[in-house]
Amino acid sequence: QVQLQESGPGLVKPSETLSLTCSVSDDSILGYYWSWIRQPPGKGLEWVGHIFYSGSTNYNPSLKNRVTISLDTSENQFSLRLSSVTAADTAVYYCARQGGANVIDYWGQGFLVTVSS
Amino acid sequence: DIQMTQSPSSLSASVGDRVTISCRASQNIITYLNWFQLKPGKAPKLLIYTASSLQSGGPSRFSGSRSGTDFTLTISNLQPEDSATYFCQQSYSVPYTFGQGTKLEI
Repeated sequence: QVQLQESGPGLVKPSETLSLTCSVSDDSILGYYWSWIRQPPGKGLEWVGHIFYSGSTNYNPSLKNRVTISLDTSENQFSLRLSSVTAADTAVYYCARQGGANVIDYWGQGFLVTVSS
Repeated sequence: DIQMTQSPSSLSASVGDRVTISCRASQNIITYLNWFQLKPGKAPKLLIYTASSLQSGGPSRFSGSRSGTDFTLTISNLQPEDSATYFCQQSYSVPYTFGQGTKLEI
């Protein structure tokens, strides 16, 4: 079964860049979309964006060009960078796999990132 | 963006009960509707995909249905472990969007 694990700094200062990595085990990066989704405290889920194994990406326009998702097929990892963060970017960040019919079928456990000075 | 309106926001029920959670899409999404279960500290779990298909390994007491742009998640014979927050999500077009969530208390 596919397992995903998020990692990175849990605390980021305002105006700096949030960086997270998702490690994928028991499956290959090839052939799928790989997604980031977040949930601010007490709020609902927000789709951040995804990357296809070929490298093509789609991002949520709400993040206004601050987001970049990249892939490292040799390490079976993909990453999220979110620049110019504010307190509103404090959230649990999930990485996930998107399979057939655009279904997000496997998720990581989530990783809390707090934006604070 | 496609808006997903989910109701109710919270629900309390007893073991053995049957409950329904609703989700309405702001436009036609055909059957590109999925349901997820979230529990604190755990990886979210896909329950139902493409409106009515049960994810492999999922309990058969979970079912989904569609009527136009209205979608329903039904949980029959509630079990204590069903206490969680449930979200619908449209995967018809990006940006994918989620309902506001339903917190189910058993």
